[in-house]
Amino acid sequence: KQEVTQIPAALSVPEGENLVLNCSFTDSAIYNLQWFRQDPGKGLTSLLLIQSSQREQTSGRLNASLDKSSGRSTLYIAASQPGDSATYLCAVSYSNYQLIWGAGTKLIIKP
Amino acid sequence: DGGITQSPKYLFRKEGQNVTLSCEQNLNHDAMYWYRQDPGQGLRLIYYSQIVNDFQKGDIAEGYSVSREKKESFPLTVTSAQKNPTAFYLCASSSMDRYYEQYFGPGTRLTVT
Repeated sequence: KQEVTQIPAALSVPEGENLVLNCSFTDSAIYNLQWFRQDPGKGLTSLLLIQSSQREQTSGRLNASLDKSSGRSTLYIAASQPGDSATYLCAVSYSNYQLIWGAGTKLIIKP
Repeated sequence: DGGITQSPKYLFRKEGQNVTLSCEQNLNHDAMYWYRQDPGQGLRLIYYSQIVNDFQKGDIAEGYSVSREKKESFPLTVTSAQKNPTAFYLCASSSMDRYYEQYFGPGTRLTVT
């Protein structure tokens, strides 16, 4: 069964710290992997998309890595800010036209 | 501005009543999706549609129904047969060839008492 797991479920850190969010998937035959951001009571916004042939993608202070062989991805956030507080979701796509979603990590950045 | 709209933002219903959630997009996307989000769980796919007048069941379609009469619109009806309908419902759309690049609406929070 294709499953996606995100650990930890919640994380609270002081402003300015660098941090890493984790995503693991059981079936390594992925098409691509995405990281999304969700603010409370809102929809989702795509942050980074990594194709299966890529190792990492960067956007500003965000860097996402992909290790297909170990079934893992990490989202690195540098110099965290209170505005980064949100829930971060990982989604894996396979060739069956569906996304498999993790439950998310709720991130709180304390001023 | 292109995007997806969902209405209403909050919806309250009594048990036993059917309720319809609206989703409209002006991105000219062929594919549209309905997801359910519960605390501590990932998004679960209810229904999706790749073309007008056609749709497929997702992982948790029981107790739900949809229609796709227009490319821009994909309403979801939560029927009285849905055992636990209280949840946050998200609509999304994508192009056919890049199904993984999904654009999301702001969501509707449904509370059934």
